[in-house]
Amino acid sequence: QSALTQPASVSGSPGQSITISCTGTSIDIGGYNYVSWYQQNPGKAPKLLIFDVSNRPSGVSSRFSGSKSGNTASLTISGLQAEDEADYYCSSYRSSNTLVVFGGGTKVTVL
Amino acid sequence: QVQLQESGPGLVKPSQTLSLTCIVSGDSIGSGAYYWSWIRQHPTKGLEWIGYIYYNGSPYYDPALRSRLTMSVDTSKNQFSLKLSSVTAADTAVYYCTRSQYGGRGGFVYWGQGTLVTVSS
Repeated sequence: QSALTQPASVSGSPGQSITISCTGTSIDIGGYNYVSWYQQNPGKAPKLLIFDVSNRPSGVSSRFSGSKSGNTASLTISGLQAEDEADYYCSSYRSSNTLVVFGGGTKVTVL
Repeated sequence: QVQLQESGPGLVKPSQTLSLTCIVSGDSIGSGAYYWSWIRQHPTKGLEWIGYIYYNGSPYYDPALRSRLTMSVDTSKNQFSLKLSSVTAADTAVYYCTRSQYGGRGGFVYWGQGTLVTVSS
C-alpha cells in the first residue's frame, strides 16, 4: 500500500479538464510544499510535470497545473488531449525515516 | 544536458546481491549541489524511493531496505552505485537512478532509462 493515496483511474473527453488528487498526512503533503507530479508512459521513465506543489519545469505544457489544500495535493490537466493518456504519480517529502513517498499512481484515460 | 545511465546484471539469483551502477554525464556529482537517488518500480506497480547518496559518500536509506542496502559514490568516475543483498523475488523491479535536491525537493528532474532486474533461479 502506497504512502500517498491516489485514485486508480480518472477519465475524460478531449478538451475537458480532469483533476487527480493525492492525499497524504501532516508530515508530508500537509506540512511541506514539496509535492511533485510525474507522468509515465509505458516502458518509459517518469517525467517531472510539477515540482514544489505548483511549479512547472521548463518545457512542460501550461495545461498541467498543481495545487494543494491541507493534506491533499491536486494535479489538473486542462484541455485534455489523447497524448495525455498515461500513468500519473505524486510524490512528497516526508519528515520521517522515509524521506520521499509516492502515490500508487493514477491511470488517465482519454475517452 | 544531464544524462544518467544505469548498468548491471538483468538477472540475479535469490539470496545473492544485486549490484547496479549509474553513470552521470552533463553534471558533476562532486559539485555537491544534488543528491543522487535510486527509485524502483515493481512490475505493474508504483514507484518506491530506495535511498540516496551524497557526493561525500553519505547515504540515506529507506528504513524498509536499510539492513540490505549499500550505496556508494565514485566522484572520479562521476558515478554512484547500489548494492542490495539477500534478494528475493520481491526485489524484481525496474531500477532508476535520479537526481534531486534533498528529500526530492524540487522534484526528480533527471532519470536514467531504467534497468529491469529479475530475481530468479
